[in-house]
Amino acid sequence: DTEVTQTPKHLVMGMTNKKSLKCEQHMGHRAMYWYKQKAKKPPELMFVYSYEKLSINESVPSRFSPECPNSSLLNLHLHALQPEDSALYLCASSQGEVGATNEKLFFGSGTQLSVL
Amino acid sequence: GQQLNQSPQSMFIQEGEDVSMNCTSSSIFNTWLWYKQEPGEGPVLLIALYKAGELTSNGRLTAQFGITRKDSFLNISASIPSDVGIYFCAGHSGTYKYIFGTGTRLKVLA
Repeated sequence: DTEVTQTPKHLVMGMTNKKSLKCEQHMGHRAMYWYKQKAKKPPELMFVYSYEKLSINESVPSRFSPECPNSSLLNLHLHALQPEDSALYLCASSQGEVGATNEKLFFGSGTQLSVL
Repeated sequence: GQQLNQSPQSMFIQEGEDVSMNCTSSSIFNTWLWYKQEPGEGPVLLIALYKAGELTSNGRLTAQFGITRKDSFLNISASIPSDVGIYFCAGHSGTYKYIFGTGTRLKVLA
């Protein structure tokens, strides 16, 4: 099983709304990621959690708030977003073992977010 | 952020033709990954490469890890209409950061 599950598939929200994106994996991976992707562009890293602790924050605005409740779950809380935040938000996971020589990064199917 | 140079940027080919694309970097990587992405979906991992010079196949797809560790190549043989999509390479050097290529958009003409 190499599945990363994301919900919802689509989300439309106003600039004053609060919403959350959810991600789940059951591969025993210890690293989980949030990426943002604009149309026809490569994914851009936002956050990395390693062993349930935030390891990387790529200077993401505070209106995006990640959370890792346990090793299988990753959330992204959204508040007061701007229209330019509209994008495909991708969750990913990898084995995340330091020094591992066979790492693979698996993506979920994404949440298409539209901010009105 | 940093991106890898991927070429060609886009290509139209006839069904049945072979396709080649490549990815180059100024830095060395320990791992090269190749993905295919269709509209509105997440990237799907096609092939993973872990050793300089390694040649790996997955059906009609063959990828190679360049011997300099700064490049990688993906070939698709006998293309079919469902090969349409954007192909991304990604380099990984042992941290949590995967550096993605700019993508190759493939369109197959039946």
